[in-house]
Parts: sequence; C-alpha cells; structure tokens
Amino acid sequence: GAGVSQTPSNKVTEKGKYVELRCDPISGHTALYWYRQSLGQGPEFLIYFQGTGAADDSGLPNDRFFAVRPEGSVSTLKIQRTERGDSAVYLCASSYGLGTGNEQFFGPGTRLTVL
Amino acid sequence: DAKTTQPPSMDCAEGRAANLPCNHSTISGNEYVYWYRQIHSQGPQYIIHGLKNNETNEMASLIITEDRKSSTLILPHATLRDTAVYYCIVRVAKNYQLTFGKGTKLSVIP
Repeated sequence: GAGVSQTPSNKVTEKGKYVELRCDPISGHTALYWYRQSLGQGPEFLIYFQGTGAADDSGLPNDRFFAVRPEGSVSTLKIQRTERGDSAVYLCASSYGLGTGNEQFFGPGTRLTVL
Repeated sequence: DAKTTQPPSMDCAEGRAANLPCNHSTISGNEYVYWYRQIHSQGPQYIIHGLKNNETNEMASLIITEDRKSSTLILPHATLRDTAVYYCIVRVAKNYQLTFGKGTKLSVIP
C-alpha cells in the first residue's frame, strides 16, 4: 500500500485516559499534517511537520495535545487526560513538499471516542 | 485565506453532469481555488485546483469566472461512487493549511 496509513482505525477510551494515534505517511513525503474532524464539520488543522520538527502547532487546542515525528517519517499524536469533547476523527496527511503540485494525501483517519 | 460559500447539498442523476458551485468573492490575486472531496468514512481526496484558467484532469473540470469571484466544479458523468462531500478551498499556494468549510454533500441518484 502506497497511501497514508493510520492506526488504530477506531479507539474507544475513558475520560481522563491517555491515547496515542499513529500516522505512517507516504514514503518520501517530508511534510506531514494532522487535522481533526468533528461530526458534520470539515477537517480542522492541528499541526504541521517539515521533517522532524513541528513547523506550526498553532491548531492544537490546548497543552493536552502533543505530536512528535522523531525520525521524520512516522508521527504520533498524543492526547493526555482525554475529555469527551476530544471525540472526533483524527486525520493525517502528507505531501512531498509545499505549494502547488505538492498536494496533501490523507489517510482514512482514526475515530476517537471518549466515554 | 479567503472564505468560500457552497450550497449544503445537491442531487444529481447518475450519468448526468454534476455542477458544484462555489462563491469566493474576497479571493486575492495570489490565491488558488482547490477542490477536495470526502467519501463517507474516508479521508479527503484532492480533485483539482486552478488560479485563473479553466482546468481539466481525469476526475473533473474546474471553471473559474473571469473576475475569479466564483467557480464551478464539473463531474462530467456522475456515478454512484461520486456521492461525497465536496469542499471548495481558497488558499495561497505556499500555505500548508487547508481550511475546510462544511462543503456540499452531493448525492448521485440511480
């Protein structure tokens, strides 16, 4: 499979627990993005990585959310002390670079449910 | 990035052309018009983009008005698999954020 993959596809957790969501981008793509999609809404930007560094994390809602990409490939989105309002589909995308001609390819998402 | 306005829903008969409109009256000269779609339970999929000229690829055609204040995505022969939410996004090329609205839910009817 040459596309973006995300695991798990579904995650159910209890309020207050810690969760990790994983994204495997397309091989060779240096840019990686996380978005969050609530029911009935379009995706909302969370964070963008260029290589190993988070170039823009302005979309993270608060300090319970953190993401890493230690080797410039796989990324993990981490959510501490989950709340019911964190329930959403978390989407990962990757691109070869920036600008036109370097479009973002999305994974299928991880559906997070916080009980 | 400029704001876009799309109808919340549209129907199209299978085999007919689907024409999805988008208003972006505050678009700037260096902003592109992008279209993505999201089939149920999948991530968004890039369709096409353009700046001024009309564009066509294997998936769709994009018609941009001369004043660039609106555009239309055309799926020439809609199939049931084209049922999805279609998002019109305006952004400067070098911007990495995609700002999605609520899109247009297109239902292709047999």
